[in-house]
Formats: sequence, C-alpha cells, structure tokens
Amino acid sequence: EPEVTQTPSHQVTQMGQEVILRCVPISNHLYFYWYRQILGQKVEFLVSFYNNEISEKSEIFDDQFSVERPDGSNFTLKIRSTKLEDSAMYFCASTSWTLNTGELFFGEGSRLTVL
Amino acid sequence: AQKITQTQPGMFVQEKEAVTLDCTYDTSDPSYGLFWYKQPSSGEMIFLIYQGSYDQQNATEGRYSLNFQKARKSANLVISASQLGDSAMYFCAMREGRTGGFKTIFGAGTRLFVKA
Repeated sequence: EPEVTQTPSHQVTQMGQEVILRCVPISNHLYFYWYRQILGQKVEFLVSFYNNEISEKSEIFDDQFSVERPDGSNFTLKIRSTKLEDSAMYFCASTSWTLNTGELFFGEGSRLTVL
Repeated sequence: AQKITQTQPGMFVQEKEAVTLDCTYDTSDPSYGLFWYKQPSSGEMIFLIYQGSYDQQNATEGRYSLNFQKARKSANLVISASQLGDSAMYFCAMREGRTGGFKTIFGAGTRLFVKA
C-alpha cells in the first residue's frame, strides 16, 4: 500500500541552526501539508501546498519556515534558524482530489529536538 | 473561522463496552468534512472515519460510527465493543470546502484508556 515517507525520523540540532525535513508524498496525490505536534498535544496546521505554491499557511508558519517541492517526489520543510520552541513532531501529509473524502495520509513523523 | 472542540481530555472504558467520544465544531461554510483519527502510542496518525456535511446518513466503518448531528454541530465518535488495542489518542478534525486544498484542523484530542 502506498505510504507517505518522512526523513529523518529524529533530528537533534542546536538552536539557531537550519533544519530541513523531507517528505515523499504518495505519488498520485496533489495536495501536501505540514503539521506539527508538541509532546503528544494538539496537531497544529502549518502549511498546505498545491500546484507548486502555498495554498494556505498558519500564524505559526512565519518567515523562518519555508516549503519546497524541489523535484517530482520530495516535499521539504525548512526551518532557517531553529528555536527551542520548534522542538516537536513534524508530520507531512498528502491527499488526492480524486478521493471523495479527502482524508489525509500521514507520514510517521520527524521528531525535531532543538537544544 | 473553523473551530473544533473536544471536551474530554481522557476517557476510560471497560473492554467490550461501547464508548462515545465527543466533538463539536463551528464553521460558516455549508460544505465541510469531518474526520476522526487515531494516534496510538507509537505516534502515527490513522484515519478512522469521515462524514460529509451533505451526507444524510451517519458514517460507519466496522466498529466505528459517527453520530452526526448537524443542527447541534456535533460529530461524536462511537466505538463499539472496545478492545485493548483501542487505547490511544483520538482526534476529531474538520476540513472546510470540497477540495483537498483546504486545510484540515484538529481538536485537542481525547485519550482513551480501555481496561481489561
């Protein structure tokens, strides 16, 4: 069964460093998302991406964040200068417009620890 | 603005009994979708069930059913015949609009504990 894959599964970084989280969405999906979850709490929307541009972004998604689809398969989230409060689990998700329900297919997450 | 509310931080249920997890929502869009996701301790997010705002009947998927009361803006999840493996965090979620481009927002979650 097709799945969303994310790398790395866990990254530890120093405050102020740049981090890139990578995702490979399901191949025939057209809509891509990043969410974050701090310590098993609420799943927070960061950004949605369609047709090579951002569809919508939340207040969390400030100038320190960016997304890119550098090729036909990868979807990346970059945090330019990490802060302690960026420590969280980051989930990539994708969905297909052909699905009547439009449920999100999530990757297993990338845990980011900022020291 | 979209809003999802789950008022039960934690719930306990005896194995083999049914349990209802509450969810209320708020939206001004007449077209929306409601979802429930399960997050076990391993951390992955698992889609359980979907209800469209125009669906006349309550959605069912195996032991899961969604009690959709549109006028009250509630979308409660009912799990019948609870199993130990149902112990997990459950998130109610909503997406406005019909296309996948619209964001899906999540409630705060309810942690379900199934007792043997």
